[in-house]
Amino acid sequence: EVQLVQSGAEVKKPGESLKISCKGSGYSFTSYWIGWVRQMPGKGLEWMGIIYPGDSDTRYSPSFQGQVTISADKSISTAYLQWSSLKASDTAMYYCARHSGNTIDYWGQGTLVTVSS
Amino acid sequence: QTVVTQEPSLTVSPGGTVTLTCASSTGAVTSGYYPNWFQQKPGQAPRALIYSTSNKHSWTPARFSGSLLGGKAALTLSGVQPEDEAEYYCLLYYGGARGVFGGGTKLTVL
Repeated sequence: EVQLVQSGAEVKKPGESLKISCKGSGYSFTSYWIGWVRQMPGKGLEWMGIIYPGDSDTRYSPSFQGQVTISADKSISTAYLQWSSLKASDTAMYYCARHSGNTIDYWGQGTLVTVSS
Repeated sequence: QTVVTQEPSLTVSPGGTVTLTCASSTGAVTSGYYPNWFQQKPGQAPRALIYSTSNKHSWTPARFSGSLLGGKAALTLSGVQPEDEAEYYCLLYYGGARGVFGGGTKLTVL
C-alpha cells in the first residue's frame, strides 16, 4: 500500500527556520517525483515544486523559487520542504504528493505550519 | 504568470449532471497539458479523481468522467450523490513538469 506520512504540526515565530518531512512507503521511492502543495487558510491549492529522489532533480514554481528549498534523502525514503526565515504569510497547510508522470496519485495527510509572534 | 481558471461555485440537484471546466490563460487546453482533477472535502487532503484528461484512478467512482470541451478541460459528474459535495480542483502541467492548479470549484448538492 502506497503511503506518504508527513511530520506533525509546527508553531514557529517569524524569522525562524523550519524543515518538514514526507516519508514514502509501499513503492520504489526513487522512481517517482514527490511534490509539495500549499493551501493557505480558506484558500485553494498551490503547486510549489517537485523533486525526483533518484537524482535530486528539482523543479520550482516561479512563485516559490528562492522562497523554499525542496530536498530528499533517498536512503530513508523521505522528502523535505524547508524555510530559512519564516514569515507570517507562510502559515498554511502543506501537502506532499506523489507524481506518476504528469499525474498526482497519492497525497500525504498534510502538515499545518503556523507562524505567529 | 500562468493562470488556470475554474467556476468559483456550482449547484446541482441529487441525481443530476454537472460539468466543471478548467481554462488556461495561455490558450486552449489540450491533452498535452495532462489535465488532472481532484476532490477535496473539508478537513481532508485532496483525492485524485482523473489524470491525463480522461483516465480514472482505480478508486474513482464511475459517475466521474473527464474530457476536453470547447478549449477547456472538463469534469462531468453524472448521477450526482450528496457525498459529491466538495471543492474540485484541476491541475494543468506546463513545460518542465511544472504544474498550476486552478482556483477550485465549490460544488453544492442541493
